[in-house]
Amino acid sequence: AQSVTQLGSHVSVSEGALVLLRCNYSSSVPPYLFWYVQYPNQGLQLLLKYTSAATLVKGINGFEAEFKKSETSFHLTKPSAHMSDAAEYFCAVSDTGGNKLVFGAGTILRVKS
Amino acid sequence: GAVVSQHPSWVICKSGTSVKIECRSLDFQATTMFWYRQFPKQSLMLMATSNEGSKATYEQGVEKDKFLINHASLTLSTLTVTSAHPEDSSFYICSARETGNQPQHFGDGTRLSIL
Repeated sequence: AQSVTQLGSHVSVSEGALVLLRCNYSSSVPPYLFWYVQYPNQGLQLLLKYTSAATLVKGINGFEAEFKKSETSFHLTKPSAHMSDAAEYFCAVSDTGGNKLVFGAGTILRVKS
Repeated sequence: GAVVSQHPSWVICKSGTSVKIECRSLDFQATTMFWYRQFPKQSLMLMATSNEGSKATYEQGVEKDKFLINHASLTLSTLTVTSAHPEDSSFYICSARETGNQPQHFGDGTRLSIL
């Protein structure tokens, strides 16, 4: 069975500060990992995905994530937060690139001016 | 590219009525579509997976007679909530993928409120 744990249901950063959203996974097979962003009353937008190629994955809007097998982690980072980054972020794991996704509980990112 | 359209975005109806939600892939052919439910301040829970032309596969605990899923074409899947009750009120989100290893692309969701 696969599972995802997102540490911190709420993260608050100042505009311009580093964003770090934590995700740890559990998987019995080599995982495919994803980060999605959700704005209020909207669906999910794919930020980036890890599919067993490069361990450092760059996504849209300046976000990136690093797959660390030894730590079973896939933390999301952005060097400088922007007000428009305020949203809820979900980490997800799958056994393939497109099969059933198991989501973490989500982390709400607040950006202070 | 990879746009998924979901309709309606909001629906309010009386208890006992049935509600149909459509999910369309606008610029690609979706061999598989997924239906999720999201309760307030919670994550997404997969309800069912549907492959074009086949019966949907429902997750444990999801009533297939309550949540009817049809995936009659490569660009359209529908979810019908039959005889809806207030406890069915939720945010329903669909996603679609083109082939096995392509990522899922999500619709904007449907807010369902049953009075």
